[in-house]
Amino acid sequence: AQKITQTQPGMFVQEKEAVTLDCTYDTSDPSYGLFWYKQPSSGEMIFLIYQGSYDQQNATEGRYSLNFQKARKSANLVISASQLGDSAMYFCAMREGDSNTGNQFYFGTGTSLTVIP
Amino acid sequence: KAGVTQTPRYLIKTRGQQVTLSCSPISGHRSVSWYQQTPGQGLQFLFEYFSETQRNKGNFPGRFSGRQFSNSRSEMNVSTLELGDSALYLCASSPGQGRWNSPLHFGNGTRLTVT
Repeated sequence: AQKITQTQPGMFVQEKEAVTLDCTYDTSDPSYGLFWYKQPSSGEMIFLIYQGSYDQQNATEGRYSLNFQKARKSANLVISASQLGDSAMYFCAMREGDSNTGNQFYFGTGTSLTVIP
Repeated sequence: KAGVTQTPRYLIKTRGQQVTLSCSPISGHRSVSWYQQTPGQGLQFLFEYFSETQRNKGNFPGRFSGRQFSNSRSEMNVSTLELGDSALYLCASSPGQGRWNSPLHFGNGTRLTVT
């Protein structure tokens, strides 16, 4: 089974609108972390936001927020007030356990977001 | 702080050759991970090194190997190259210990083309 599933290969959003990128995960480890990355066409992977499995509140970082639904095993990224510079690939990732035991991240296949002027 | 540095940025090799890629992590980071990114497969984990020891390994053949030096710099080697090895190889570093929410910090990658 896939550890991380992103079911939206491509998404379009109007500039200044909000958009939700879906991510579901699969783990039996009670301790895990969920991460979102942005990859522009230039190729670098940019860390956006983190949610820990024990966090009670949804994470927020500026225009990015994470809609964490633990029972449904989903960790959707919400981008508010989309900008043209948000056009990129977005990857959801998970690390099980903590960094003392290893740093193997599992990545989804990504969602290509295009912001339309 | 300088970011993660990968060299070279681009490589063109022929089938059967071998290649070595280099990665310098962020200063103070002791964990270095390698990922292969292809359009069809996304990011696939190759291996992770921490304090010169391989701590985790993905599901890749033995042609893919790596090592880490005492200064945390890492190299990845691919022997007997195949056409399917053409990909973007990403290196990522992190503190590697004791920080629960540490993300991976990626380099710009090495794009390998095998002809």
